Amino acid sequence: KQEVTQIPAALSVPEGENLVLNCSFTDSAIYNLQWFRQDPGKGLTSLLLIQSSQREQTSGRLNASLDKSSGRSTLYIAASQPGDSATYLCAVDTNAGKSTFGDGTTLTVKP
Amino acid sequence: NAGVTQTPKFQVLKTGQSMTLQCAQDMNHEYMSWYRQDPGMGLRLIHYSVGAGITDQGEVPNGYNVSRSTTEDFPLRLLSAAPSQTSVYFCASSYYPGPGANVLTFGAGSRLTVL
Repeated sequence: KQEVTQIPAALSVPEGENLVLNCSFTDSAIYNLQWFRQDPGKGLTSLLLIQSSQREQTSGRLNASLDKSSGRSTLYIAASQPGDSATYLCAVDTNAGKSTFGDGTTLTVKP
Repeated sequence: NAGVTQTPKFQVLKTGQSMTLQCAQDMNHEYMSWYRQDPGMGLRLIHYSVGAGITDQGEVPNGYNVSRSTTEDFPLRLLSAAPSQTSVYFCASSYYPGPGANVLTFGAGSRLTVL
């Protein structure tokens, strides 16, 4: 059974800092890994998807990396802003239509 | 495109009542799934479908039924609501544009309270 762990559970940083969120998974036989953002009381917004054959993906200030052999992914956020405050979830797809989610990291960026 | 539409957004039920959460997508996605999210936790898969007429159980299927008669719709039925089913429910659809890609698109969620 795939298990996904996100560390830390919560993170508070001052505006402008670069930061890294971590995601680890137990079964390396994955199709892809996807990072989502969730604002309080809202749905999930897809940020980045890394296919199993890829090592990283970038979108603006966000960079996600994937190391299948070690079962790890990181989400790097450069020059953090208060608007980045949200919960970040990673999801691992190990079978068609079935994704396993971590519990998320709640990020607070202080002005 | 509306994307993934869930109704209702909010619902309060009494223990033992039944109801259906509706989910519709207009993107012609093959795959659809239902998740529940409890406070402070990630999403747990309830049921999923890889196409019309095909459904399967996820991690937490007990107390829920699904069917997929069309590509667009994937309703979730609560047969006899229990307080443990108080949660936020998310429907998602996805497609495979290429090997290994499964881009999940979520609805806005349905918040259910069972008294």
